[in-house]
Amino acid sequence: DAKTTQPNSMESNEEEPVHLPCNHSTISGTDYIHWYRQLPSQGPEYVIHGLTSNVNNRMASLAIAEDRKSSTLILHRATLRDAAVYYCILRRGSQGNLIFGKGTKLSVKP
Amino acid sequence: DAGVTQSPTHLIKTRGQHVTLRCSPISGHKSVSWYQQVLGQGPQFIFQYYEKEERGRGNFPDRFSARQFPNYSSELNVNALLLGDSALYLCASSLEHGELFFGEGSRLTVL
Repeated sequence: DAKTTQPNSMESNEEEPVHLPCNHSTISGTDYIHWYRQLPSQGPEYVIHGLTSNVNNRMASLAIAEDRKSSTLILHRATLRDAAVYYCILRRGSQGNLIFGKGTKLSVKP
Repeated sequence: DAGVTQSPTHLIKTRGQHVTLRCSPISGHKSVSWYQQVLGQGPQFIFQYYEKEERGRGNFPDRFSARQFPNYSSELNVNALLLGDSALYLCASSLEHGELFFGEGSRLTVL
């Protein structure tokens, strides 16, 4: 399974945008880029996913590099409730298993 | 709408015992996956079931087993518990294709 590399931790100020990077240089053509996040004492929750084009939803935006070897999750205005561990995951097709790494722990300061 | 429900939420066992963890998926979801999350690490994939058939298995010993019932609920069984099995066990359900919805997990402590 292709692996991802993320910074261990990041800090942000409340109401400012946050850019969470992810490198996946060994991505294959059928791998989707998924982002999940895990709030303290909860199970992971889906944030967003994409294949080649940039994606937007109510939670976040996903910017995918043209060569697909990296991507960035964008939270447009961080809130205290966005403090969580964010996982960047490559999923083979639409049925493949999620292989989690260690993720990025995002702290949001008021 | 009810999300993924897991039981028990917390349990304590001793080494050598066995444990059964239960998961009820979201209504209409036929796929269930199990993950183990050790403190400070990301979740590790254990099993995936779809329509009562095993679709995937992670790198876990044979002490770990699972099954899915006709109503799509699932059980994870772990035999001969070791101290290292202490973890949060997460269940996730999904349609055949699409995002996974996780429960809040079962916290297992092995003494």
